[in-house]
Amino acid sequence: GAVVSQHPSRVICKSGTSVKIECRSLDFQATTMFWYRQFPKQSLMLMATSNEGSKATYEQGVEKDKFLINHASLTLSTLTVTSAHPEDSSFYICSARAGAKNEAFFGQGTRLTVV
Amino acid sequence: AQKITQTQPGMFVQEKEAVTLDCTYDTSDPSYGLFWYKQPSSGEMIFLIYQGSYDQQNATEGRYSLNFQKARKSANLVISASQLGDSAMYFCAMREGNPFNDYKLSFGAGTTVTVRA
Repeated sequence: GAVVSQHPSRVICKSGTSVKIECRSLDFQATTMFWYRQFPKQSLMLMATSNEGSKATYEQGVEKDKFLINHASLTLSTLTVTSAHPEDSSFYICSARAGAKNEAFFGQGTRLTVV
Repeated sequence: AQKITQTQPGMFVQEKEAVTLDCTYDTSDPSYGLFWYKQPSSGEMIFLIYQGSYDQQNATEGRYSLNFQKARKSANLVISASQLGDSAMYFCAMREGNPFNDYKLSFGAGTTVTVRA
């Protein structure tokens, strides 16, 4: 299957700082990528749809000024958590679609801890 | 309303036995797709199997098979000959509409499977 690479896999940051998470499609181009958030032992909640060359589409209840998404190229989308708070601590995972069935492939996820 | 319902929060299964994970879905769109993903403790989401709403036969991928009952709107995952490495959380997900248009995946709450030796 297609490969989606996410970096970093783990990050610890101080409250008030910003953290950038990268999502790359390694062997295909992705005009659309998706960012999810997952709390422990819970399901994935879609945060936003990242569109190459245009503004991201955010799900209801997601603060777009807090979770900045940039999709500047066909192989890279970034999620920046600005002014991080401890309640932003979570698992963030991205996905992109590829292949004949246009199925979703996921990155490895990023475990963010804000202290 | 929940689009994907997984009613089993956790299951134990003996090694080498089969296990069935339940998934029911709700959609009025005639075109949809159903996915199962495995999420081990490392966090990555591993694609297991896919069933399209118009597929005539149930999907199979190695030890994974999908019991698709369209009238009942259920898409249960069967894992045969369980292995210790199958211990993970399993998610059922649905895509509505044309797969080649932009679509979102709706995920169920997940089922944690623990395989016992």
